[in-house]
Amino acid sequence: DAGVIQSPRHEVTEMGQEVTLRCKPISGHDYLFWYRQTMMRGLELLIYFNNNVPIDDSGMPEDRFSAKMPNASFSTLKIQPSEPRDSAVYFCASSLWTGVNNQPQHFGDGTRLSIL
Amino acid sequence: AQTVTQSQPEMSVQEAETVTLSCTYDTSENNYYLFWYKQPPSRQMILVIRQEAYKQQNATENRFSVNFQKAAKSFSLKISDSQLGDTAMYFCAFWEGAQKLVFGQGTRLTINP
Repeated sequence: DAGVIQSPRHEVTEMGQEVTLRCKPISGHDYLFWYRQTMMRGLELLIYFNNNVPIDDSGMPEDRFSAKMPNASFSTLKIQPSEPRDSAVYFCASSLWTGVNNQPQHFGDGTRLSIL
Repeated sequence: AQTVTQSQPEMSVQEAETVTLSCTYDTSENNYYLFWYKQPPSRQMILVIRQEAYKQQNATENRFSVNFQKAAKSFSLKISDSQLGDTAMYFCAFWEGAQKLVFGQGTRLTINP
């Protein structure tokens, strides 16, 4: 299995620009998660989807952040307009509900985002 | 809300030594899962070990084992015969079944040659 695939691996852009982060979950997984990691706040859950439907977006910091999952194999996290304080590593993770319990989340390699 | 606390920001041991990383959590739930994730400098988040709260037996994965004390809400990770490749950030995580993983702040572990 290829694992969770995120792109780009690094993104550097100027303040005010739109940023789009991409994620391909593990095939067959029905849950997808977006996390943000910073030195100050550690790992924070931003939003998660079940069967492509957003379930909990309470962690999304502001209206500037939006996430979509148009199909089972693709999700995006968009920041518009971006600000320097959005600089962080953004992780995507996926997991599978077996009908009995949830399997552990598998993480992608993350996108390091730098907003200048 | 559930919280996870890792009280050791950094630890350092010599290769081949045994090291224990601490984690405590707070919850009113009875059924939940606990995890240790490893994040090496490559930035990947790698699952090291998991423990189901309803299981009394401590989980073990090769050189990695846990000491799960449910009443004390403690979940420590023991690494035996530590190796240079164990150098990483280690995160304790709590999962109450509503899909949300709650992470501790992490412990930076350095294995010295």
